[in-house]
Amino acid sequence: ELKVEQNPLFLSMQEGKNYTIYCNYSTTSDRLYWYRQDPGKSLESLFVLLSNGAVKQEGRLMASLDTKARLSTLHITAAVHDLSATYFCAVNQGGSEKLVFGKGTKLTVNP
Amino acid sequence: DAGVTQSPTHLIKTRGQQVTLRCSPKSGHDTVSWYQQALGQGPQFIFQYYEEEERQRGNFPDRFSGHQFPNYSSELNVNALLLGDSALYLCASSLFRQIEAFFGQGTRLTVV
Repeated sequence: ELKVEQNPLFLSMQEGKNYTIYCNYSTTSDRLYWYRQDPGKSLESLFVLLSNGAVKQEGRLMASLDTKARLSTLHITAAVHDLSATYFCAVNQGGSEKLVFGKGTKLTVNP
Repeated sequence: DAGVTQSPTHLIKTRGQQVTLRCSPKSGHDTVSWYQQALGQGPQFIFQYYEEEERQRGNFPDRFSGHQFPNYSSELNVNALLLGDSALYLCASSLFRQIEAFFGQGTRLTVV
């Protein structure tokens, strides 16, 4: 059974600092997603990573994928308060449309 | 172009009752997936509908059932509600077997 683990689960950081969120998954997958969720809101798609070595960047966020290590990272550069949210990674079960989500990383960026 | 719309946005039900949640997919999409997100947790896959049939199912009891209509909209039905069914229910729409899925704003169900 596919398992997805994120760490840390809680992250409090100062504005201007850099940090990385990690996402490990247990079995082979076709693709990996990163989502953002604000309190009480739905999921906003950030990145879809499809192949080994894939790297995508949007603003202060950069995501990468290492399929051999079954690891994805979400790197935050020079954090700003607006990035405060919960970030989820999700992986599809190979050959399946079902997405398995991690527990999420609650990020708080303090002034 | 309207995105994925869900109704209602909030709902309070009593234990033992039945509930129906609705989802209209993004224009042009033909596949609807439902997820349950308990407080403080990641979403969990309930099932997926395509061509009016349930294509895949997660680890949820038979109390959870669904339907997809010819216009691709979908309903999620939950019978014999339990307190533990309280959650945010998310609908995601996509084109069948395509990568990108878009989530609706969710229905917050509270069972008392």
